[in-house]
Amino acid sequence: QKEVEQNSGPLSVPEGAIASLNCTYSDRGSQSFFWYRQYSGKSPELIMFIYSNGDKEDGRFTAQLNKASQYVSLLIRDSQPSDSATYLCAVPSTTGNKLTFGGGTRVLVKP
Amino acid sequence: NAGVMQNPRHLVRRRGQEARLRCSPMKGHSHVYWYRQLPEEGLKFMVYLQKENIIDESGMPKERFSAEFPKEGPSILRIQQVVRGDSAAYFCASSSRPRGPNTEAFFGQGTRLTVV
Repeated sequence: QKEVEQNSGPLSVPEGAIASLNCTYSDRGSQSFFWYRQYSGKSPELIMFIYSNGDKEDGRFTAQLNKASQYVSLLIRDSQPSDSATYLCAVPSTTGNKLTFGGGTRVLVKP
Repeated sequence: NAGVMQNPRHLVRRRGQEARLRCSPMKGHSHVYWYRQLPEEGLKFMVYLQKENIIDESGMPKERFSAEFPKEGPSILRIQQVVRGDSAAYFCASSSRPRGPNTEAFFGQGTRLTVV
């Protein structure tokens, strides 16, 4: 089992809809989780991080964490064509020295 | 993040040559992390360095790859005798303090290495 797993997609959503992305992780000791957005040919850009069970909202983005079920999700409300990118879930190691990334979910927002 | 500077942005090397990738962290940051992204794959951790010290190199290939972060100047990722499988995007990230559960790391624009 991979340490961090994501559905590779592509996830196709119409403009204005909600995009829902999921990420599961294997280490029950993981404490925090990061979501990055990566446009094609560009570097990862931090969107948000979450470390408490429940929801965390930032603008059109909401991260949801369920430690008991070992998954974290990202919702993108009112999706825009500019949201078309690959979204990467990342989990810090227990030492904090490194981030383990999932393979990413490619999102396509169609006008 | 524009604050982490990597150069060159694109690097072409012939098989057997050496590749040197440079990373200048954000101002005030003394912790540097290197990641590699192979085509159509996710990012993989390579090495974590502080000034003059390698803290964690668990992701570095055992041969041909080395990294340093001298007291003065940028961090350098060095690949000797490159092979086509080394073709990838290499990203550097920096942080102001050791990574912890909530420590953010900001990525540079990456160096895209092509081995021909």
